[in-house]
Amino acid sequence: TQLLEQSPQFLSIQEGENLTVYCNSSSVFSSLQWYRQEPGEGPVLLVTVVTGGEVKKLKRLTFQFGDARKDSSLHITAAQPGDTGLYLCAGLSRTNDYKLSFGAGTTVTVRA
Amino acid sequence: DTEVTQTPKHLVMGMTNKKSLKCEQHMGHRAMYWYKQKAKKPPELMFVYSYEKLSINESVPSRFSPECPNSSLLNLHLHALQPEDSALYLCASSQGYRVASTDTQYFGPGTRLTVL
Repeated sequence: TQLLEQSPQFLSIQEGENLTVYCNSSSVFSSLQWYRQEPGEGPVLLVTVVTGGEVKKLKRLTFQFGDARKDSSLHITAAQPGDTGLYLCAGLSRTNDYKLSFGAGTTVTVRA
Repeated sequence: DTEVTQTPKHLVMGMTNKKSLKCEQHMGHRAMYWYKQKAKKPPELMFVYSYEKLSINESVPSRFSPECPNSSLLNLHLHALQPEDSALYLCASSQGYRVASTDTQYFGPGTRLTVL
């Protein structure tokens, strides 16, 4: 059983549309990261959130950490083909002895 | 600079070969990690080194042998691998394992390993 449930698994949208990816858990996380990965490459860190209720913006990307630090979301506004990739949420929790727990990943495809 | 480097980028080896993967970071991080990743799946933790000592071995077969020569370098020695070991091998580093609960791991670009 995965500690982080990530949804949806796949997302295919047209350029210019918005999208949201969710990451949920029954465990509390001391920090949560979002990574983007392209095929054959390593995950690239997008953001780390550590405070409950925190909202961080990175250009067209908005990240939220739930008040209880059990969930997070990634929202992309006006998606572009360059946003295509595998998005991974990952976090540190006492439940997993502070080993990084990953969600299953969301494959995002943005069609031109 | 948040760069972790890995060599080689690609590796093809037979089941009787011995090869090594290399990882390097110059961020002053004291924790380094090896992960294995299959296509369209999240990375799976293999080993954790903390202050150059092996802290975690996630029941990895002995045909994978990690080594941490110093705080900047991490190697993964491979011997007698099986075709099912073909995967993307990722190295990561962070400030310290279980040092700060808000620690962030930075990943290298990976080595694509194919075992024939």
